[in-house]
Amino acid sequence: DTAVSQTPKYLVTQMGNDKSIKCEQNLGHDTMYWYKQDSKKFLKIMFSYNNKELIINETVPNRFSPKSPDKAHLNLHINSLELGDSAVYFCASSQKGGGTDTQYFGPGTRLTVL
Amino acid sequence: GNSVTQMEGPVTLSEEAFLTINCTYTATGYPSLFWYVQYPGEGLQLLLKATKADDKGSNKGFEATYRKETTSFHLEKGSVQVSDSAVYFCALRGNTPLVFGKGTRLSVIA
Repeated sequence: DTAVSQTPKYLVTQMGNDKSIKCEQNLGHDTMYWYKQDSKKFLKIMFSYNNKELIINETVPNRFSPKSPDKAHLNLHINSLELGDSAVYFCASSQKGGGTDTQYFGPGTRLTVL
Repeated sequence: GNSVTQMEGPVTLSEEAFLTINCTYTATGYPSLFWYVQYPGEGLQLLLKATKADDKGSNKGFEATYRKETTSFHLEKGSVQVSDSAVYFCALRGNTPLVFGKGTRLSVIA
């Protein structure tokens, strides 16, 4: 009965590879997000989707491409991985995406690029 | 733009000590304010929130009051426990995406 789930939990890969992280929420929320947490624990929004439509793209390199097949899923595909992509990636969801909405976070995916 | 400033950590306290983690913000309009907590190896969980001035959010013995005059949302707990050891994030949401502070690591020792 996990609210926001992500797979995989850990991902170790070589520079230059392409990888995907999957996210699913069973809360019936309209809005989903991807955040990146760097080694100093700093969290920054990457993308936001509302009802499968991209509404926020925060100056993220083109190598990162989110895909939302339906409003319960938001996957993150990363091409040509670089060392600087190593981080923990969190998926989140909220009811409507409004300013007072609570965002519910997944457990995170720790990506290590070697 | 919107921003959140939290006190630098780490903060180390003995069990039953009083906790304050300072948080101030810069924002246009009237943002909602949040405290999230991240326990070791886990994702973020909402701890409490306040959506308008003078609101007090509270949960699990933690409290924070939305102070518009001082643009602050300080987190307090009267008596911390070892299980409160975690990283605490102050955040705001207005007409922009959720903006987080840099997090404050709290360690509580028995």
